[in-house]
Amino acid sequence: GDSVTQMEGPVTLSEEAFLTINCTYTATGYPSLFWYVQYPGEGLQLLLKATKADDKGSNKGFEATYRKETTSFHLEKGSVQVSDSAVYFCALGDNAGGTSYGKLTFGQGTILTVHP
Amino acid sequence: NAGVMQNPRHLVRRRGQEARLRCSPMKGHSHVYWYRQLPEEGLKFMVYLQKENIIDESGMPKERFSAEFPKEGPSILRIQQVVRGDSAAYFCASPLQGATGELFFGEGSRLTVL
Repeated sequence: GDSVTQMEGPVTLSEEAFLTINCTYTATGYPSLFWYVQYPGEGLQLLLKATKADDKGSNKGFEATYRKETTSFHLEKGSVQVSDSAVYFCALGDNAGGTSYGKLTFGQGTILTVHP
Repeated sequence: NAGVMQNPRHLVRRRGQEARLRCSPMKGHSHVYWYRQLPEEGLKFMVYLQKENIIDESGMPKERFSAEFPKEGPSILRIQQVVRGDSAAYFCASPLQGATGELFFGEGSRLTVL
C-alpha cells in the first residue's frame, strides 16, 4: 500500500537558518503530494502541493519539488522564522478521483522549533 | 481551519464509557472526512461520509466505532466502550470539491481515556 516516510525530528533551528525536511513516498500510480502544517492547538492547514512529476509547490517562502525518480518531496525554506515553529506533515493522495480525493496517507510528522 | 467546527475540543472518558465527537463541515459542504492522530504519529484516515451516506469506511476499526452524517445536524463519530488505546486527537475535514487532497481541517477533538 501507499506510505510516506518523513525525516525524524524534532528539528531545532535558529532564526534565519535554512530548513530541509525530507519526505519520501511509496505509491502505485501517480499520486499528488502535499505538505500540511499544524500549529499548536490547531488543525492541519495545507501549506503547498504538487500534482505531477517535476512540479514545484510553493507558499510562504516554503518550496518542495515532486521528484519521481527519487520518490521524494522534500520541504525547504531559505530563512526560517520563530513563527514557523509547528509540526509539518508530508502526505500523498490518489489522483484517481472519484470518492478517494480526500483520502490522504500522511507521514508521521516532523516537529520544527525555531529559536530567536 | 475557520469554518469546520468540532466539539468538544477536549473529552475525558473512563474505560468502558462512550465518546461522541461532533463535526459541522464548512457552510454549504455536505462531505466530511474523519481522521485519527495517535500520539507521535501522523493522521490516519477513518471514514468518508456524505449527508446520510457512508462512502468509504475502510479505515474504521471493525468494532466499537461508528460514524454518521444525518440530513440535519453535524456528523458524529461514536466510540463505544472506550479503551486507553482510543486516546487520540480526532480531526474532521471538509474537502475542496474536485481538488485531490485539499482538505480544510477542524481544530480537532482530543479524547483522553483514563
